[in-house]
This record gives sequence, structure tokens and C-alpha cells, in this order.
Amino acid sequence: SQQGEEDPQALSIQEGENATMNCSYKTSINNLQWYRQNSGRGLVHLILIRSNEREKHSGRLRVTLDTSKKSSSLLITASRAADTASYFCAELNAGGTSYGKLTFGQGTILTVHP
Amino acid sequence: EPEVTQTPSHQVTQMGQEVILRCVPISNHLYFYWYRQILGQKVEFLVSFYNNEISEKSEIFDDQFSVERPDGSNFTLKIRSTKLEDSAMYFCATLPGLGQETQYFGPGTRLLVL
Repeated sequence: SQQGEEDPQALSIQEGENATMNCSYKTSINNLQWYRQNSGRGLVHLILIRSNEREKHSGRLRVTLDTSKKSSSLLITASRAADTASYFCAELNAGGTSYGKLTFGQGTILTVHP
Repeated sequence: EPEVTQTPSHQVTQMGQEVILRCVPISNHLYFYWYRQILGQKVEFLVSFYNNEISEKSEIFDDQFSVERPDGSNFTLKIRSTKLEDSAMYFCATLPGLGQETQYFGPGTRLLVL
């Protein structure tokens, strides 16, 4: 089954506004991670939330997890033009022989206009 | 801060040719991964590698693909006979060890098969 489907696929906002991206998944998770990818570049780990956590903060990032709905959201507050990037949620496989394998969602392309 | 490096950054090849993509993992990391991202699509898992052997491979990772760590440092992905549909960004990622949850991604190699 597909994991980590995000919405919206694309989000365009003005600098200073908040950006919310959502991710849904279909099976049980150990944790959910969010990554950022600048255009044509590698992935950078942003934040991780474990299955027994409901909310986590890191700077301007806030991530929530609702295991009953199998969904997570990433909120970027007071957005800046430099936040323009693609954002992906990913599930980590924490068991078996393929420890650490990440299964990524489709991603949200965020554009922050100055 | 230590980082994963990949070479080359770009590679253009003719269909049917062999390509080798190279990755230098972060020193002392134990788990290694290759992912690929076709333009405009999500990041897909290819293969995981631990203790000098493949621990899991995806259905994408067919007989044309192979990985090795020949000298204990470089981690390579070889595509024996490239196809047009192999055109993608290929990312190497590493994980320090069991129980660690944050993967470190290289900047990627953009492969174009003509």
C-alpha cells in the first residue's frame, strides 16, 4: 500500500504567513519524519515524531501526529522566501532486515513569495 | 559537520552503457541506502546495505543494478545497461547505526540516459 501521501501537492503563500502541509499513511508506524528538498538538491532531515508523541516543535516548525487518523501535519510559522522547497513526509522502517528504509510521500511544493 | 558526498554530480550516458555512481558515506556509519527520484516524482527506495551485503531491495532494483563497497569506504551503485527510464536523481544516504533514526543524504547524482 502507498504510504505518506501529502496534501496539498502545491502551496503558494506570502512571506510571513503560515504554511501547513498534511501527510497520511496507511499502516502502523514507528515514527514519521519530515524532509526538505531544495530544487534539484538533496534531502535534509527536518523533524521526527514518534508514534507515542502527538506534537513536536523545532524552531518555526511544528509537527503533529494523529495515529487514529493515520495523519501528520507540518506547520511552518512566519514563513520566509528561503522556506521555498519541497517537503516530504517519510516513514522509517525500524524493524527486520531493512532497518532504516524510508518510504516517502509524494511531497508538497511550497512557494513563499517575498 | 560530516556529510555524505556523491560523485559525479551529473552524468549523461547513452542507453545500454554502464554507469557507476559513487558515494562516500559518513565515517563510522553502518547502514547505507540508495534512493532515486524521477523528475517531478517522489523519492523511491532502491536498496539497503549493511554488513557488506544487501539487506533489502525494491522491485526497481533488478538484475541491472548492483551495489558494493569495494574498499570499505566508497559505496557504489552500478547500472549495467542503462535504459531511458533510469534517468533520475540518485541519492545515497547513510545511518549511524541500529536505533538511530535520522538518515543523512548526499546531494545526489543527476543521471540522464539518452
